[in-house]
This record gives sequence, structure tokens and C-alpha cells, in this order.
Amino acid sequence: ETGVTQSPTHLIKTRGQQVTLRCSSQSGHNTVSWYQQALGQGPQFIFQYYREEENGRGNFPPRFSGLQFPNYSSELNVNALELDDSALYLCASSIGLAREETQYFGPGTRLLVL
Amino acid sequence: QKEVEQDPGPLSVPEGAIVSLNCTYSNSAFQYFMWYRQYSRKGPELLMYTYSSGNKEDGRFTAQVDKSSKYISLFIRDSQPSDSATYLCAMTGLVQGAQKLVFGQGTRLTINP
Repeated sequence: ETGVTQSPTHLIKTRGQQVTLRCSSQSGHNTVSWYQQALGQGPQFIFQYYREEENGRGNFPPRFSGLQFPNYSSELNVNALELDDSALYLCASSIGLAREETQYFGPGTRLLVL
Repeated sequence: QKEVEQDPGPLSVPEGAIVSLNCTYSNSAFQYFMWYRQYSRKGPELLMYTYSSGNKEDGRFTAQVDKSSKYISLFIRDSQPSDSATYLCAMTGLVQGAQKLVFGQGTRLTINP
């Protein structure tokens, strides 16, 4: 059984650019959630994808968007990057939508916006 | 007021000590409670997962939930230097039908040999 993987591991961008981050969910998991973790803070929920559809969104602007593919892997896209977007971006996968389903996290992508 | 409050520390204790980590929350809808451990530059790793009020033990770790007080704790017995990490409490709540995890700020723990 493979765990959650994310790419790239590190990324440096400049303000105003666009970025795409990728996540492969754990085998057998059809739900992917994305989180933003600023330095010294806990992860903040961005949105969740279930069977290729967005299924809930946190307090993030529309320039944060995503996709989920038929194999349940997912992308997070951020347009018009701002300095405050510098953070560790985590994806987590789970089997379904039930509240009792635990989420398993990938290692994250560390994004630095200059 | 944040939905989940956690003392960020840092917390430094000698090897072998008992460590107590705590979180309070304000949303009565939270029903599932987790503790994650996060090593530097890594993703969070699930340590403990509880549903009901009371204690749950797993080796040197004990998770405690008091829903009436909206208070959860993680105890680490016989702490080891390898336990040095950031510990995040998390709980589940629904956001437009999504299983959203709400995290505390995390407590940075150092176990000194």
C-alpha cells in the first residue's frame, strides 16, 4: 500500500505568478483534502474533492482552485500569488466522506513566494 | 475566538518525564478528535483518534476527551528524545458537507536527553 505523495517538495515563485501542486492519494482513497500551513501555525482547510467534484471549501479566495482526476489524484492551483501564500501545502486522503474517516497526510509542498 | 485553542509552547522536558498537551474547542458539533505528530519539514502523522469522552491508551500515549468541558488532552509517558516534534490537536466538523479537519496551532515539544 502506497502512502500519500506530493510534488514538488519545494518551490520558489515570485508575486503574481501561478503555481500548480500535485497530490497522489493513498491506494483505495477517493477523497482528497488540501490544507495550507503557515509557519508556526496549524493547517488550515482549503477545500476537499470527492469523486472529481469539489465538496466543501474553507475561507480561501477563488484564486485557489483545484481538480481531482479519475484516478483520484489531485491538483491545487493558485493564481496571482501573494507573499502571504508562502506556506507548506498539505494534501490528505481518506476513504470517504463520513466524519469518522481519518485523513492521512502527505509530506507537503513548501512554497516560497518572493 | 478560534474554534480550537492550543498552547504553542515551546515545551521542553527531560527524558522520562510525563508530558501533558491540551486543547480547548468551542464548537459542540465536533465529534471526532485526533492528535497528529509533525516532525520538522514533514506532513502530520496520525497518532491517536478518539470519538467518545474518556480515555484511550496506545502504548506510551493516552488521549483524553471531555466533551462537557470541550477539552482534550494527550499524555506521553516515559518521554523519549524521538518524541521531540510538534503535536497538533485536530477535530472534525462539517463545512458544506465536507469532512473538514480543524487544527490547533500546534505545540512544539522537545525532550532533552
